Amino acid sequence: DGGITQSPKYLFRKEGQNVTLSCEQNLNHDAMYWYRQDPGQGLRLIYYSQIVNDFQKGDIAEGYSVSREKKESFPLTVTSAQKNPTAFYLCASSLQGVALSYNEQFFGPGTRLTVL
Amino acid sequence: KQEVTQIPAALSVPEGENLVLNCSFTDSAIYNLQWFRQDPGKGLTSLLLIQSSQREQTSGRLNASLDKSSGRSTLYIAASQPGDSATYLCAAPDNYGQNFVFGPGTRLSVLP
Repeated sequence: DGGITQSPKYLFRKEGQNVTLSCEQNLNHDAMYWYRQDPGQGLRLIYYSQIVNDFQKGDIAEGYSVSREKKESFPLTVTSAQKNPTAFYLCASSLQGVALSYNEQFFGPGTRLTVL
Repeated sequence: KQEVTQIPAALSVPEGENLVLNCSFTDSAIYNLQWFRQDPGKGLTSLLLIQSSQREQTSGRLNASLDKSSGRSTLYIAASQPGDSATYLCAAPDNYGQNFVFGPGTRLSVLP
């Protein structure tokens, strides 16, 4: 089955720790995205990558880091510098990261991160 | 900067009713608009993608329209069912065409 997988589903972090969220896709998509969702708020873009070995900051990149060494994988690290990391994190991908009318975005099931 | 809003924020209807969800965007130079469904604690499921050259798209009981000149899109759900209960979000491309800006969503409850 083609799709996007995220792991773990639930993650607990102690203050001061770095944690890494996994995102893998087998859709052969060039572009991948990380969003954060807080209760009562819309999705906010953390980082995005249009192609392997390249990524850009989104609206709320502070305290987060990413890598894109393989087309299929786009892991997100939540660092200790992120002051309020408790949220629902969603990974997405699209065929390309450019303005194409047929460029449809698909999402993974999400990871819920809680800081203890 | 592209901004996306959705009205109403929440909607509760009895089963069987037809209903309309609204999405507005500020930058009309979009190349597509996408509607999603999100169940509690889950990821987003793509419902419909309307390309800029299209006025509407249909999938089963769902019909989405796009009016770029007025900066509006509507999602029409026919003969609503309790299983339609979820949050519905729309997303439009940002001004650079590289990313997507999401609305806050409409939380729909269909009562049996």
